[in-house]
Amino acid sequence: QKEVEQNSGPLSVPEGAIASLNCTYSDRGSQSFFWYRQYSGKSPELIMFIYSNGDKEDGRFTAQLNKASQYVSLLIRDSQPSDSATYLCAVGAGRRALTFGSGTRLQVQP
Amino acid sequence: EAGVTQFPSHSVIEKGQTVTLRCDPISGHDNLYWYRRVMGKEIKFLLHFVKESKQDESGMPNNRFLAERTGGTYSTLKVQPAELEDSGVYFCASSPSGKTEAFFGQGTRLTVV
Repeated sequence: QKEVEQNSGPLSVPEGAIASLNCTYSDRGSQSFFWYRQYSGKSPELIMFIYSNGDKEDGRFTAQLNKASQYVSLLIRDSQPSDSATYLCAVGAGRRALTFGSGTRLQVQP
Repeated sequence: EAGVTQFPSHSVIEKGQTVTLRCDPISGHDNLYWYRRVMGKEIKFLLHFVKESKQDESGMPNNRFLAERTGGTYSTLKVQPAELEDSGVYFCASSPSGKTEAFFGQGTRLTVV
């Protein structure tokens, strides 16, 4: 079992819709959770992080964390074609470096 | 403020040669990480520096890989001798002391032929 699991996609949504990206993790000791966006050939860009159960909103992005279910998600409201990218879920524990999932490719159709 | 910068952006070398990758973290960031992404796989952790000290090098694949961070500023990752399976994109990331939110460089694409 992978430590951080993501559906590789592609996840295709129409422009203006809500895109929902999901991630599960295996280490119950995980304490910090991150979403990175990576455009093709570019570096991963940190867009959201969450530490506590519940929702955290930043603009069009909402991160949701459920530690009991070992599940973290990213919602993108009013999806735009410029949101088309690969979204990487990363999990941290203490001072350990992050563990990444393989990413979900999102395609927003104009 | 400058972000994390990596040099070179691309490198093509022959099997058996040596390559040195460089990373300049964000100024003031004590934590520096090296990661690698092999084609089709997830980003994998290689090594973590806190200032000049190696905090965790459990991800280093073998002793052909040597990382240094002299003076706690920039870091180098040397691969000697390079093998075909070392091909991939090598990312460097940094974060401030006590923080795990890491900011990534643009990566070095290494191709071993």
